[in-house]
Amino acid sequence: GNSVTQMEGPVTLSEEAFLTINCTYTATGYPSLFWYVQYPGEGLQLLLKATKADDKGSNKGFEATYRKETTSFHLEKGSVQVSDSAVYFCALSDLTGTASKLTFGTGTRLQVTL
Amino acid sequence: NAGVMQNPRHLVRRRGQEARLRCSPMKGHSHVYWYRQLPEEGLKFMVYLQKENIIDESGMPKERFSAEFPKEGPSILRIQQVVRGDSAAYFCASSPQGQGKSGANVLTFGAGSRLTVL
Repeated sequence: GNSVTQMEGPVTLSEEAFLTINCTYTATGYPSLFWYVQYPGEGLQLLLKATKADDKGSNKGFEATYRKETTSFHLEKGSVQVSDSAVYFCALSDLTGTASKLTFGTGTRLQVTL
Repeated sequence: NAGVMQNPRHLVRRRGQEARLRCSPMKGHSHVYWYRQLPEEGLKFMVYLQKENIIDESGMPKERFSAEFPKEGPSILRIQQVVRGDSAAYFCASSPQGQGKSGANVLTFGAGSRLTVL
């Protein structure tokens, strides 16, 4: 079956540091890949997505590239801010049916300090 | 434009009681999805509904769990005779249409309902 593996948190960084959150996946076929972010007390929000191999998703300074050869979708940001503190979820879509059976990783908590 | 609204945000129940979780989708969205996040795990799909129809319930436990999305009113996830293992965060999401096989359409999630079973 499908699965998503994320690096464990929490990740603690100083402001302006470089961020990488690793995400690898196992799936049949070519799923779409997503990063969702959950700020404290809020729902999950789509951060970025990529629907085919070599696509790069980007938003708010975050980037992730769909790498089929390594089955990875690592999240990166060149300079994090305190406001980026949140939980980040990597996810993939299930292509076997019409429902959006997203498969999520366990989430990685990011804490950015001054 | 309110997002996906879930209530209650926190619910405490004793073993054997019933839990009802409500979800109002975003305005204009007619598709609702329920996910569950157990401690230390990722969100897992439970059920997908349209108005008055269950489209896919392959992720729902076979017993004690049910979901509905009536013509009027919110979607409701109902858990009968709760047990400690039901303690989790339950997330609702909505979309304006079905996801299709690409899954590329965006789901909008609510903030979740956290159920604690004593």
